[in-house]
Amino acid sequence: GENVEQHPSTLSVQEGDSAVIKCTYSDSASNYFPWYKQELGKRPQLIIDIRSNVGEKKDQRIAVTLNKTAKHFSLHITETQPEDSAVYFCAVLEGKLTFGTGTRLQVTL
Amino acid sequence: ETGVTQSPTHLIKTRGQQVTLRCSSQSGHNTVSWYQQALGQGPQFIFQYYREEENGRGNFPPRFSGLQFPNYSSELNVNALELDDSALYLCASSSSGSLYTGELFFGEGSRLTVL
Repeated sequence: GENVEQHPSTLSVQEGDSAVIKCTYSDSASNYFPWYKQELGKRPQLIIDIRSNVGEKKDQRIAVTLNKTAKHFSLHITETQPEDSAVYFCAVLEGKLTFGTGTRLQVTL
Repeated sequence: ETGVTQSPTHLIKTRGQQVTLRCSSQSGHNTVSWYQQALGQGPQFIFQYYREEENGRGNFPPRFSGLQFPNYSSELNVNALELDDSALYLCASSSSGSLYTGELFFGEGSRLTVL
């Protein structure tokens, strides 16, 4: 089955700095790569996604890049704000959605 | 807010008991999947239902079972509860077919504690 690795497990940045979270996957047939943000006690919320026919996608301060050859994709958050503090999960679709282990992002003032 | 609703939001059971969790999918969505999220971990796929049939299952034992109804709502049943079943159970709906290609819309989850 699909194996998704996510790094780092925790990330602390100062407000205004950028944050990058990386994921690797094993199944080359995977074709959909969403990122979810989960605040404490809340449900995961989709923040951005990318399909295998696209290399990069941007939505305001958030961007995702995909390298299908190397089987990795990354989430980039620029100009971080305290409200960006949460746990972020990458996921990979190949018949079912397999999630990474999560990255706890802390944005400090 | 998504249109996916789950009940109950919290519940406490003891080992050996049985539990039923319920999910109403977003309007127009015909596919429902269930995930288990243990504390500090990512969601783990339990199974998926499409048009009232299970069409995908993760690495969970048979005591985890489910149903989907004609209105696309769904139930997750867990028999012979174990302490490790304590988790947040998330329901997600989508409008895609049996192997969904679209984004998932998660409900708020049901937090199960097994004592």
